[in-house]
Amino acid sequence: EVALTQSPGTLSLSPGERATLTCRASQSVSSNYLAWYQQKPGQAPRLLMYGASSRASGTPDRFSGSGSGTDFTLTISRLEPEDFAVYFCQHYGNSLFTFGPGTKVDIK
Amino acid sequence: QVHLVESGGGLVQPGRSLRLSCSASGFTFNAYGMHWVRQTPGKGLEWVAASWYDGTNTNYMESVKGRFTISRDKSNDTLYLQMSSLRVDDTGVYYCARGGRHFDNWGHGTLVTVSS
Repeated sequence: EVALTQSPGTLSLSPGERATLTCRASQSVSSNYLAWYQQKPGQAPRLLMYGASSRASGTPDRFSGSGSGTDFTLTISRLEPEDFAVYFCQHYGNSLFTFGPGTKVDIK
Repeated sequence: QVHLVESGGGLVQPGRSLRLSCSASGFTFNAYGMHWVRQTPGKGLEWVAASWYDGTNTNYMESVKGRFTISRDKSNDTLYLQMSSLRVDDTGVYYCARGGRHFDNWGHGTLVTVSS
C-alpha cells in the first residue's frame, strides 16, 4: 500500500502570494492516479486536480499540478481569500485508495 | 446536477451495528463506482469501501474487512454501508463519494459516534 506524506503541515501566506504544496509517495506511482482536494471547515472535500495535472470542473486556472514518480506539487499562483483551506493529495492503486494528511494554508 | 445525500449516522455503543445510506441523483448510478470515505479525528481522511458499477465487485480497507458491507440498490439509486462490531476508532464523518480513480462528487457527510 502506498503511503502519502504532505509538506508543509501548515503554510502561512498572504493573499496574492504563491503557494507550493508537496505530496510525496512512499514508492513510485503513476501520475494518472494522483489527485488533489480542497476542504473548507464544515464542508466535504472538493476535487481540484486529477491525473496530477488536470483541473477538475470548476477549478480556477490559478491552480496547477505537476510531478511524477514519488514527488508531486500543487501550486496556487496567487492566493485568493477563498483559497485558504486544507489540501489533501490522494492515490489510487491495486483497488485501494490512500490520502495524505493534508496541508493547511492559512492567512499570515 | 449530481447530488449525494447521506443518512443513518448517530451515536452507537461499541460492538453494535449501524447502517448508512446514500441517496444519489443527477447521474446514471450504475455507470459509476461509488465509495464510502470517512474522516476521523485520529487518522484524517480514509477510504473505507468501494462498490464498482453494478455492485458485483467490492473492495474494503483492511481494518473494516469482515465488519462492514457496502452494497447498492439500483432500483432506488441508493448506496449502503452496513457496519457491525463497531469500534471507538470507527468514529468520524462518513462521506459517500462518486468516482473511479478519484472522487469527483461528495455528499455532505453523516456523523457516526461510537461510544459507551
